[in-house]
Amino acid sequence: IAGITQAPTSQILAAGRRMTLRCTQDMRHNAMYWYRQDLGLGLRLIHYSNTAGTTGKGEVPDGYSVSRANTDDFPLTLASAVPSQTSVYFCASSDWIGPSSYEQYFGPGTRLTVT
Amino acid sequence: AQTVTQSQPEMSVQEAETVTLSCTYDTSESDYYLFWYKQPPSRQMILVIRQEAYKQQNATENRFSVNFQKAAKSFSLKISDSQLGDAAMYFCALRGYDDYKLSFGAGTTVTVRA
Repeated sequence: IAGITQAPTSQILAAGRRMTLRCTQDMRHNAMYWYRQDLGLGLRLIHYSNTAGTTGKGEVPDGYSVSRANTDDFPLTLASAVPSQTSVYFCASSDWIGPSSYEQYFGPGTRLTVT
Repeated sequence: AQTVTQSQPEMSVQEAETVTLSCTYDTSESDYYLFWYKQPPSRQMILVIRQEAYKQQNATENRFSVNFQKAAKSFSLKISDSQLGDAAMYFCALRGYDDYKLSFGAGTTVTVRA
């Protein structure tokens, strides 16, 4: 593979259930990000990680958690899903520093519906 | 804090014609990047063009060009010779030079009429 993969592609989830969205990149990027896309709001940053073992909160972190055990994987977990978490979720990666760090590469997205 | 505003939810253009998408922003950073991303129906986010704020020359990528007005904090995208494949949602985005955070506008949906 080349780039970023996300799984699942789409999911319907009952409220209160736990869900982990998976993200894997093979570009050896230091930094990874999770965004949610909502109509009229664009993409908003949920959490980020600038290196394995380190994570940080973005603009809308409540109800979500992440981990970064290695360079390639950055799963996003919804501990107890609520309908307001219905959205399209994008994972992205980039170099953290350096001349190429400006560009973030995006995965194909996961459409999540919480009922 | 930084904000990005796209005031045009939808734009329509005739094939082969030109369309201009508006974007205004606010940031306290002196050095930053501005971007336009394209999101076709496939949902994939595709970087169309970027502009470094310290560069006065407007960026151009084939049929895509920007009009960057730093003092006015304006960053518009012009699509020339529009093609059916240009139909997509377009997002304006901003990132501080030493920052990780990419801030997006709400998006503009472009429809291309054959």
